[in-house]
Amino acid sequence: DAGVTQSPTHLIKTRGQHVTLRCSPISGHKSVSWYQQVLGQGPQFIFQYYEKEERGRGNFPDRFSARQFPNYSSELNVNALLLGDSALYLCASSLVAGGHNEQFFGPGTRLTVL
Amino acid sequence: QKEVEQNSGPLSVPEGAIASLNCTYSDRGSQSFFWYRQYSGKSPELIMSIYSNGDKEDGRFTAQLNKASQYVSLLIRDSQPSDSATYLCAVMMDSSYKLIFGSGTRLLVRP
Repeated sequence: DAGVTQSPTHLIKTRGQHVTLRCSPISGHKSVSWYQQVLGQGPQFIFQYYEKEERGRGNFPDRFSARQFPNYSSELNVNALLLGDSALYLCASSLVAGGHNEQFFGPGTRLTVL
Repeated sequence: QKEVEQNSGPLSVPEGAIASLNCTYSDRGSQSFFWYRQYSGKSPELIMSIYSNGDKEDGRFTAQLNKASQYVSLLIRDSQPSDSATYLCAVMMDSSYKLIFGSGTRLLVRP
């Protein structure tokens, strides 16, 4: 079975631009979470979606937004990019949201903002 | 105080030894605990989950949970050079939906 897939793998943008990252969860999984990981730190939670509804939002500015589609895939959008947005963006898939639910990560999208 | 704390390492052990990785957390409402392994330049890979006090074994890996002490550990028996990676401890409250990660412990297994 295919795992979590993310696209693109790498992305280079300049300050002020907009970016869209995409994620497809494991087949049968209905929840998608987004995390940001900067070098030397653990992933930081950005959003979780379950059944197309936002279930939670981390401490990120409104420049960050996301949505989940009827097929459970998801997009993360970041507007007005800053140098500090350079990071590895990770999508995690789980059967449902919360509780004793294991989250499985995709390969990530490495975003570089110049 | 950080919500999830890990020693950054590196923890260096010889091949064949037991590697012991530790994690403490601050929120007593935490109910689910996970260990991820992350190789350099790759994404985190789930290796163990534990929800109840005590030990949980899976192959060469044993996770240990002590909720009273707010302490989670991961033991890796018969360590191999291929185990060299950063190990991330993650915690989730039962009423929550997000994983809270520590900064990770870098493990080096010397041949």
